[in-house]
Amino acid sequence: EVQLGESGGGLVQPGGSLRLSCAASGFTFSSHWMHWVRQAPGKGLVWVSRIRTDGKYTDYADSVKGRFTISRDNAKNTLYLQMNSLRAEDTAVYYCARASSAPTMDYWGQGTLVTVSS
Amino acid sequence: QSALTQPPSASGSPGQSVTISCTGTSSDIGGYQYVSWYQQHPGKAPKLMIYEVTKRPSGVPDRFSGSKSGNTASLTVSGLQAEDEADYYCSSFVGSNIVVFGGGTKLTVL
Repeated sequence: EVQLGESGGGLVQPGGSLRLSCAASGFTFSSHWMHWVRQAPGKGLVWVSRIRTDGKYTDYADSVKGRFTISRDNAKNTLYLQMNSLRAEDTAVYYCARASSAPTMDYWGQGTLVTVSS
Repeated sequence: QSALTQPPSASGSPGQSVTISCTGTSSDIGGYQYVSWYQQHPGKAPKLMIYEVTKRPSGVPDRFSGSKSGNTASLTVSGLQAEDEADYYCSSFVGSNIVVFGGGTKLTVL
């Protein structure tokens, strides 16, 4: 059974940093692109970033480019999102998702809440 | 990276059919066969319902179907059931290797 479990969320002050993790199991992690998607409270889904199977290619939404870094450790079956220079508008539930084909997300984690507030 | 356009709400009675539209441009929906639809119940993670415009993942009822014409994709739910009440989001691959979602449609089963 495919399982994705996010962790690392919490309350952080504006300008601060946070690293999210996504532990994967039940499939060959190194064979799948992975995505991060976020959802602000009461709002819709917003794509954040994606990473290729080998970790050497990444894409970002304009809103996080230069502030967020996606990475992966295939030996540990774990996806990461390093978030720096956080803003109030980054407040959201962050989901990791497995890609079946590169832009299609076929399995999602339950999400972790990031709150940016002073 | 503008969001795709979805109606904020849709509704239908049990057993009826309802169609949700998702409008983009030639740079996203119109340019690629990578349109997906996701269902999200309150407080839950999204679930993939349709991918590559018309394909259904294993386990998704055949009451759910997808289509595309030009820059507009559609999700049709036939034989509405109470458990279909949820938020639905479309997404598309976009040039420059990014993904964009629609704003979401709240489907109400009357």
